[in-house]
Formats: sequence, C-alpha cells, structure tokens
Amino acid sequence: AAGVIQSPRHLIKEKRETATLKCYPIPRHDTVYWYQQGPGQDPQFLISFYEKMQSDKGSIPDRFSAQQFSDYHSELNMSSLELGDSALYFCASSSADRGRSYRAGEQYFGPGTRLTVT
Amino acid sequence: ELKVEQNPLFLSMQEGKNYTIYCNYSTTSDRLYWYRQDPGKSLESLFVLLSNGAVKQEGRLMASLDTKARLSTLHITAAVHDLSATYFCAVDEGRAAGNKLTFGGGTRVLVKP
Repeated sequence: AAGVIQSPRHLIKEKRETATLKCYPIPRHDTVYWYQQGPGQDPQFLISFYEKMQSDKGSIPDRFSAQQFSDYHSELNMSSLELGDSALYFCASSSADRGRSYRAGEQYFGPGTRLTVT
Repeated sequence: ELKVEQNPLFLSMQEGKNYTIYCNYSTTSDRLYWYRQDPGKSLESLFVLLSNGAVKQEGRLMASLDTKARLSTLHITAAVHDLSATYFCAVDEGRAAGNKLTFGGGTRVLVKP
C-alpha cells in the first residue's frame, strides 16, 4: 500500500540558510500534519492543513511557513535556520471523511526528514 | 491544554519477564496511538485504540484503553532483546481540535539478556 513520502530524507544546511521539506500524502488523503522531533524529545505538532487551508497551528516559529498545494502535497519552508532547528521532521496524512471509514482521521506518518544545521 | 504523561521514562527489562508502560492524559480523547521508534528512525504504528475498554494484541505487545480513567497501558510479555526501542503514546484530541496529536514523553526500553 502507498505510504506517506517525504523528501529529502536527509538535509544539511548552515546557519541562516533556508530549507524546504516536502511531503506527499497517501492518495485520497486530504489532511497533512507536520511534527518536529528534537534529539531525545517527543514529536511536537507544528501545523496542519485540510483541503489546502491551514487548519491548526502549534509551536511553529515565525521563520517557518507551510502550505498545501492543489495535489495535496505540502511543503514546509524554513528560513534563517538556527542550530536548534536540527531535528527530525515528520509529515503525517489522514482522510477527514468520517463517512467513508472508521479509519477516517487516523494519521499515517512518513519516514521523516533529518535536518542538520551546522 | 492536553497533557500526556508516560511512565516510566526509562525501563530496563530482563528477557523473559513482563512489564507495563503507562500513559495518562488530561482531557477527553478521540483516539489513542502507540508507536515504536528505533534510534534515528521513523515512528512505527503499533496500535490505534478508539473506544473505552479497547484491547489490542500483537505478538508480545498488548495495549488497552480506559477512557474513564484517561489511561492506556502497553503491556510487554516475556521481553526479548529486539523489543529494545523508545515507545510513545499519542492522543488525538478530536476533530474540533484538528485531530492533532499530543505525544507523551516516551519510554526508552532496554532489554538485557
């Protein structure tokens, strides 16, 4: 079965550079979530999108922005990178249509992008 | 604000023995997940628990949910070395909260021979 795809899988950037992470949800999923996991920490919710509109926002720095495109893929843009941005970034997708299946709303995680800022 | 607490944070296990990880949460939940994570790797979904009294088992792992007590447990039977990993519970606050997940702090499990 198709899974969530994230690219790149690894990214090394220097301080003050920018980075773009991409997420391709499971086909027919309309909701995308982004999470950040720092070293030794639990994943923290950053932002989510439903039908290309931002649906919720967590502890996402102002230096970060994200969007969901017409094909439902999402991009997380990170500017003025800091050492503390080094983390695993996970994308998850779900289908919001509860009328279809009890699995509606269940999140499926991608493999993550490891960002290292030097 | 939803709080999710796991305990213990670290668990040193002996092979062949049984152990339990606890996950407490502070508000009502729409869905509760258990994940396994190996160092530097992605989150592997173990269980999704939807309703009060739900119990799911896979191999040596069994998860249960008590929504009235706001408690989920992950029980490990006859631990073996390849169960060494970090285990997270995560709570879905529901559609009104955008279905975002709040994770517990994780339980790092080390199974020794």
